[in-house]
Amino acid sequence: EDKVVQSPLSLVVHEGDTVTLNCSYEVTNFRSLLWYKQEKKAPTFLFMLTSSGIEKKSGRLSSILDKKELFSILNITATQTGDSAIYLCAVEGGGGADGLTFGKGTHLIIQP
Amino acid sequence: DSGVTQTPKHLITATGQRVTLRCSPRSGDLSVYWYQQSLDQGLQFLIQYYNGEERAKGNILERFSAQQFPDLHSELNLSSLELGDSALYFCASSVDPSLGQPQHFGDGTRLSIL
Repeated sequence: EDKVVQSPLSLVVHEGDTVTLNCSYEVTNFRSLLWYKQEKKAPTFLFMLTSSGIEKKSGRLSSILDKKELFSILNITATQTGDSAIYLCAVEGGGGADGLTFGKGTHLIIQP
Repeated sequence: DSGVTQTPKHLITATGQRVTLRCSPRSGDLSVYWYQQSLDQGLQFLIQYYNGEERAKGNILERFSAQQFPDLHSELNLSSLELGDSALYFCASSVDPSLGQPQHFGDGTRLSIL
């Protein structure tokens, strides 16, 4: 059974800090790893990673995948209060024939 | 706005009843996925349709069923509802799973069973 474990489950930091969110996984026939941000409603797509060692970047957010260690991190630099959300990590297995398996998420709170 | 539309936004009903949740995928997306999000279980994959055909099944109960219509919209039917079915139900869509494109989520339907 596919499995995704995220840590920490909850994190409180001050505005301007840098945070690193962790995601480890076990999946049959790995296809991709995805990061989503969930505020009040729909999970919003951030990154999709398929290749090991290649960093994806968007503004202050970046992510990297290690397929050997079955691990990914999501970094957020110069955090802002608008970054407060639940960050979800998901894996796509089964060669793309299955739905996503999600972790429980990291609840990030940015204090002003 | 992801382009995925779900209706209704909220649904309140009683145990034993049956409800239908509706999803319209993003324009051009052929694949539709249904997920259930509860506080204790997190986001769980229920079922996937691609171009009208069932493609994959996850943790979907026998009391639940879904279909995708020729215009690609999808419906999730939940019957003999129990208190434990109270959750947020999300629909997501993607172009084609074989193309390696991400799934985009709708805003969800919050189902409350009284």
